[in-house]
Amino acid sequence: NAGVTQTPKFRVLKTGQSMTLLCAQDMNHEYMYWYRQDPGMGLRLIHYSVGEGTTAKGEVPDGYNVSRLKKQNFLLGLESAAPSQTSVYFCASTDSGSFREQYFGPGTRLTVT
Amino acid sequence: AQSVTQLGSHVSVSEGALVLLRCNYSSSVPPYLFWYVQYPNQGLQLLLKYTSAATLVKGINGFEAEFKKSETSFHLTKPSAHMSDAAEYFCAVSVSGGYNKLIFGAGTRLAVHP
Repeated sequence: NAGVTQTPKFRVLKTGQSMTLLCAQDMNHEYMYWYRQDPGMGLRLIHYSVGEGTTAKGEVPDGYNVSRLKKQNFLLGLESAAPSQTSVYFCASTDSGSFREQYFGPGTRLTVT
Repeated sequence: AQSVTQLGSHVSVSEGALVLLRCNYSSSVPPYLFWYVQYPNQGLQLLLKYTSAATLVKGINGFEAEFKKSETSFHLTKPSAHMSDAAEYFCAVSVSGGYNKLIFGAGTRLAVHP
């Protein structure tokens, strides 16, 4: 099993450009999450999904959109990138039982200039 | 609302010394708590979790944590540090209301020197 994979690993964008980050999991998990990690702030939840076709806002959703058209994939979109979105983005997944651990991808380092 | 505070953004220990990383939580409901570790340029992986079965929780790589309700703490310890323990450690609390959402602390970077 590959677990949770993320594409791409690195990306540099100019202000105003758009991009999509792809997260894929092969563990048949129901729940998936997108976080951003910034120095001194830990991980903050951007959006999450509790099943195919569902999405919900997390703590810091502004400037991002997500889609979950297939159970194994969770896409994070930036329509018009801003320097404040420079961060490391992590995807995670878990199954639907109570208080299960989340499994994390390796991360995507995004720089917006 | 739940929250997590990790005291000390950087901790430095000698190889073989005790490791103590502090985590305090705030929760209006019985908390479920986690410690995750992040090695350089990698994602997070679970060290251990507390789900009310036992107050002393043992995890991987010789780490353990003790849940103390009276102190609202869940500190992580390891008796003898190894160079390979150098990483960033995150404490997290599970959000009430389901969906296994987590609130993370700011993290503590552990350095181990010879």
